[in-house]
Amino acid sequence: DTEVTQTPKHLVMGMTNKKSLKCEQHMGHRAMYWYKQKAKKPPELMFVYSYEKLSINESVPSRFSPECPNSSLLNLHLHALQPEDSALYLCASSQTSGGAQETQYFGPGTRLLVL
Amino acid sequence: QKEVEQDPGPLSVPEGAIVSLNCTYSNSAFQYFMWYRQYSRKGPELLMYTYSSGNKEDGRFTAQVDKSSKYISLFIRDSQPSDSATYLCAMSARQGGSEKLVFGKGTKLTVNP
Repeated sequence: DTEVTQTPKHLVMGMTNKKSLKCEQHMGHRAMYWYKQKAKKPPELMFVYSYEKLSINESVPSRFSPECPNSSLLNLHLHALQPEDSALYLCASSQTSGGAQETQYFGPGTRLLVL
Repeated sequence: QKEVEQDPGPLSVPEGAIVSLNCTYSNSAFQYFMWYRQYSRKGPELLMYTYSSGNKEDGRFTAQVDKSSKYISLFIRDSQPSDSATYLCAMSARQGGSEKLVFGKGTKLTVNP
C-alpha cells in the first residue's frame, strides 16, 4: 500500500467557519507534511511532523493549526481563513525525514475555497 | 537566483515524439533528484528518483542528472496523450540539521493525438 489519502476532496468554507482537513497513510512512514499549492505554482511547504512531533513550521499564520494524533494521521485545522487561502492542500509522507534521501509520497489533495 | 529553475512551458508535442524536460539548480548540496507528474486538479505523483549523477531508466522514462553542470533532465520516449500533465522536478538536501525539498515551477506538457 503506497497510498496517502486525504478527506474531503473539496471544501467550501466561509471566513468565520472552522473546518479540518484529514490525511492518512498506512505505509509505516514516520514523517508527514502539509503543503499548499496555488494554481500553476509548485507546492509550498507548510508543516513537517517527524515521529508525531512538529519539526518544521514554515512561518504559517496561526489560522492554520496542524495536529498529528498518531503516526498514521495528520490533521490541519482551519479557522478564520481568508479568500487568499483558497488553494489545493496536499499531504505527503516519507519514511522518517531523517535523511535527504527520502522521497515524499503525496495524497490527492483537498481543494479549498474560502468565500 | 532561484535554487531550482524550470521552464514552465507550455510544451506541446505530437504523439510518439521524444519529450525532453529540464531543470537547473544552484545549490550544490542537492543530492537527491526527483520527477513528479501532476495531472490537473490532482496531487503530484512520484515518477523517478535518482541519487547523485547518472542515468536511470524506467520504461519509457529516463532521468539524467549531471551534477557538474547542475542540470537534470527527464526524457519521455514514444509520448502518449496520457502523458499530458505538469511535470515537476524536485531536489532535496540535508542542511542545518533538517531536510530540505525544493520543487521547480513545473512544465506543462500536452501530447496531441
